[in-house]
Amino acid sequence: QVQLQQWGAGLLKPSETLSLTCGVYSGSISSYYWTWIRQPPGKGLEWIGEINHSGITIYSPSLKSRVTMSVDTSKNQFSLKLSSVTAADTAVYYCARVRWELGAFDIWGQGTLVTVSS
Amino acid sequence: DIQMTQSPSTLSASVGDRVTISCRASQNISNWLAWYQQKPGKAPKLLIYKASSSENGGPSRFSGSGSGTEFTLTISSLQPDDFATYYCQQYKSYPALIFGGGTKVEIK
Repeated sequence: QVQLQQWGAGLLKPSETLSLTCGVYSGSISSYYWTWIRQPPGKGLEWIGEINHSGITIYSPSLKSRVTMSVDTSKNQFSLKLSSVTAADTAVYYCARVRWELGAFDIWGQGTLVTVSS
Repeated sequence: DIQMTQSPSTLSASVGDRVTISCRASQNISNWLAWYQQKPGKAPKLLIYKASSSENGGPSRFSGSGSGTEFTLTISSLQPDDFATYYCQQYKSYPALIFGGGTKVEIK
């Protein structure tokens, strides 16, 4: 069974860059798209964007200017960078696998709380 | 962008009740709709994809219906493990894959 394990810094200062990585275990990163989703405390889910094993990306228009996603197939992992963070970027960030044929995200990471505070 | 509107935002129900949650899309999304269950402190879990197909291993009491702009998630007989927040999500139109605002199912 494929599992996603994510990691990265949990406390940032305003204007810093958020950096998270998601490792894919017991499965290959190839042949799928992979996504990042975030959830501010007590609020709903927000889709950030997707990337495939070839590095093709699709970003949410609302975050596009600050988001960079990358993939490392040799390590079977993909990453998210979000620049110039503010308190509004405080959220639990999730990675997940995209199943285009299902139109859904079927496997999720455990989530990482990222807090932006001076 | 397509907007997704869920109702109600909160629902109080008892064990054994039949529960219905609605999700409306601002444009036709055919059957490209998924439902997720999220419990506090946990990642969302896929329940239903393509509006009415159950994810492998999902309890049979969960069912989805609808197409176009109107969709429904039904729990046929609410169980204690079902108290959670439920989200719909459209997968028809990029660049923004939007989730609904969520429906919290609480104990009555």
